[in-house]
Amino acid sequence: DVQLVESGGGLVKPGESLRVSCTASGFTFSSHGVNWVRQAPGKGLEWVSSISTSSYTTYSNSSRGRFTISRDNAQNSLFLQMNSLRAEDTAVYYCARDSLECSEGACFSTGAFDIWGQGTVVTVSS
Amino acid sequence: SFGLTQPPSVSVSPGQTATITCSGDALPNQFAYWYHQKPGQAPVLVIYKDTKRPSGIPERFSGSNSGKTVTLTISGVQAEDEGDYYCQSADSSATYVLFGGGTKLTVL
Repeated sequence: DVQLVESGGGLVKPGESLRVSCTASGFTFSSHGVNWVRQAPGKGLEWVSSISTSSYTTYSNSSRGRFTISRDNAQNSLFLQMNSLRAEDTAVYYCARDSLECSEGACFSTGAFDIWGQGTVVTVSS
Repeated sequence: SFGLTQPPSVSVSPGQTATITCSGDALPNQFAYWYHQKPGQAPVLVIYKDTKRPSGIPERFSGSNSGKTVTLTISGVQAEDEGDYYCQSADSSATYVLFGGGTKLTVL
């Protein structure tokens, strides 16, 4: 089965750090861009960060400078290092895969997120 | 503006047609995507590149684009279609991923 499984969430105090992980299986991880999306309790989806197949990274305004996204293709893993955490970072953190469209042997990202993990909960509270 | 705007809620009776809109300045130049999320579950992609349906998504789901507004249409709504729907796109420079605030679909 194609799946993403997040781990590493937990309860931390404001100002502390946490690293969450996402392990992929059932597909060629290195061929896809991957993303972090979070959802605060009772709120909507918020994009956090993305990393391309060539490890080009992008960040939202709220995560830039505090969060670092990385990937390890040998381990089929995606990471999000979160520093200087704030109460407003409290959320379920999902990893999500970029979908690909392939034609005549070439594949390109569609921009959509077609596979999502079940999420890991990060709570920032004193 | 730097965002995507959706109505907070839409209600429809079973078998009727539900339409959910998403508006944003960059939509004439960027593709839109739609996700369905049920309580306690991860989102599921239902429409990509404005109008395309992923494999496994029922034909009753369709998308359209008319400039600054994109629309998700669910024909013959079923009880299982209840939940939150989110549009996604990008800013005009394709640097930032944007999500709409979400629309809660209630099947009466």
